[in-house]
Amino acid sequence: GEDVEQSLFLSVREGDSSVINCTYTDSSSTYLYWYKQEPGAGLQLLTYIFSNMDMKQDQRLTVLLNKKDKHLSLRIADTQTGDSAIYFCAEKNSWGKLQFGAGTQVVVTP
Amino acid sequence: NAGVTQTPKFQVLKTGQSMTLQCAQDMNHEYMSWYRQDPGMGLRLIHYSVGAGITDQGEVPNGYNVSRSTTEDFPLRLLSAAPSQTSVYFCASSSMTDYEQYFGPGTRLTVT
Repeated sequence: GEDVEQSLFLSVREGDSSVINCTYTDSSSTYLYWYKQEPGAGLQLLTYIFSNMDMKQDQRLTVLLNKKDKHLSLRIADTQTGDSAIYFCAEKNSWGKLQFGAGTQVVVTP
Repeated sequence: NAGVTQTPKFQVLKTGQSMTLQCAQDMNHEYMSWYRQDPGMGLRLIHYSVGAGITDQGEVPNGYNVSRSTTEDFPLRLLSAAPSQTSVYFCASSSMTDYEQYFGPGTRLTVT
């Protein structure tokens, strides 16, 4: 069945780059997403990448997709304290079904 | 255009009670789904629908029923609430061809 996995925790110093990794198994994925959730809030779509792309850059965010290895990463440049949150990787298959990873808690330290 | 709306925002139930969580979208999306979010487990898919009259089970369907009589509405029913159903519930919708999933604000449910 489909599965999306990501590491549970990442600690990073303010100003450094953060890299959050994700692997997935569904080869029919159409889009892959990164969502951000702050405490007590809903999910905010950060960025997405179409499955036939290998990279997408959006200001401080860079998404890399290795379709052969089914590996997705999110790089946040110049990480700020406001980037502290849980980050969810998700993949959408051809039916529109969205499968989420368990989330990576990112803690930014001064 | 209100997006995805969910009611109620908060609910406390006693074990064995039933209730319906409401979800509606006004974007004419074909795909709607319900997730529950528990600490350390991310979002898990409960049920989903690819159009009016069509529903299917997700990862954790037990204890929940859904129906999709219209494109706009996708209610989630708890027939006999259990403490294990204490969670935050999110409804989402999307077009089958578009990239973005739109999430509702969530319903925080506590079962005592």
